[in-house]
Order: sequence, then C-alpha cells, then structure tokens
Amino acid sequence: DTAVSQTPKYLVTQMGNDKSIKCEQNLGHDTMYWYKQDSKKFLKIMFSYNNKELIINETVPNRFSPKSPDKAHLNLHINSLELGDSAVYFCASSYGQLKNIQYFGAGTRLSVL
Amino acid sequence: DAKTTQPNSMESNEEEPVHLPCNHSTISGTDYIHWYRQLPSQGPEYVIHGLTSNVNNRMASLAIAEDRKSSTLILHRATLRDAAVYYCIPGRNKLVFGAGTILRVKS
Repeated sequence: DTAVSQTPKYLVTQMGNDKSIKCEQNLGHDTMYWYKQDSKKFLKIMFSYNNKELIINETVPNRFSPKSPDKAHLNLHINSLELGDSAVYFCASSYGQLKNIQYFGAGTRLSVL
Repeated sequence: DAKTTQPNSMESNEEEPVHLPCNHSTISGTDYIHWYRQLPSQGPEYVIHGLTSNVNNRMASLAIAEDRKSSTLILHRATLRDAAVYYCIPGRNKLVFGAGTILRVKS
C-alpha cells in the first residue's frame, strides 16, 4: 500500500494547456505539501496545507492553484503551462507537530513542449 | 533559514562506514537538524533528526557537535542501495533543501 501516491507519474503537454496533478496520502496525516524539483535538482517547497487550509505559499505564480478537498488529498492545478514549469513535482505529508518529518510521493515528471 | 555547507560528493566502498559532514553555523537554538536522502528517480526519504544529543535509528546515526554548528550522518555499513543524495536540513517548521552530498558506493 503506497503511503503517498501521485498521479500521473509522467505528464507531457503543450505550452498554454491546463493540467492537474493529484496526490493522496493514506497515513492519516493532517498536513500536505507540494515541492518542485527543477532540472538543476534543487527541491523547493511551493505550498503547504494543514487540515485543508493553506499555511505556506512560497512566491508561486498565480497559475498554480492547490486544492485540498479533504485532509487526505492535495491536488495541484496549473493553468497556461509554460516551458519553465517543466520539472518533477513531489507531494508530501506530515502529522501534528512533526512538520519536518515528511513522507514523499514518487514524483510527477512534467514536460512542457 | 540556516545556511548549510555539505561536500558536493563523496565516495565509499561497500560494507565500510561513511561519515557525511554538514556545517550549519547559523542554526538557531530551536532548530532541529534533519537528514533526508533522495535515491535516483525517487522522492526524498526521511533518515534521522536530532536537536542536541546524538541519535541512532535503524538507518543511521547522527552525531551533533556540542555547539550545534555542525553534524555528521553516519552510515555504519554502506551498501549499494545507499547511493543517493543526502541532505542536511536545519529547521523547525519547514524543509529547505540545499544541494546535498552525492554519495557514491563502490562494490
């Protein structure tokens, strides 16, 4: 049973399109995150949600909109995709006060052509 | 966020111990020191964390300097499966990843 699962694993799309990446965790955690890892391999946090409420939003363009329908899900919708959005996106989750003990998904590799 | 300095890369022989150093001289008094690793084509994986005392778990040991300005992750017997990028991350409520150390393990 995968603890943090992301779909799809790979996403290839054209510039200007809108796409979504889904994330689900079955760990009973209350906080979920989205990270972006670019071609230089730097991993940066984008968003964090606690009990469906946004708590971290790190200077991410408005084209990126996270949505948390419940504590177990945090989806990432991206409008008007640009070449620079090509990266690997990771979802993660944590529980309670242990915010920095995070469990990561396997990643979604997004390629914008 | 505390700044960290780690070697770009290190190499180890299989079955030998590995000591991965990290300098975090600007760490604040309440920051924990976390270590994560990222195996090829996978998401980051939590390894260990500590505040002041040395810590051991089934994956590794963490040795923290008395002044907390540096720490060392110790893999007691490196295996080929330990080849990964290792990240040292001081902090409390947010993970800020640096460039990490690429660990190569030779058979």
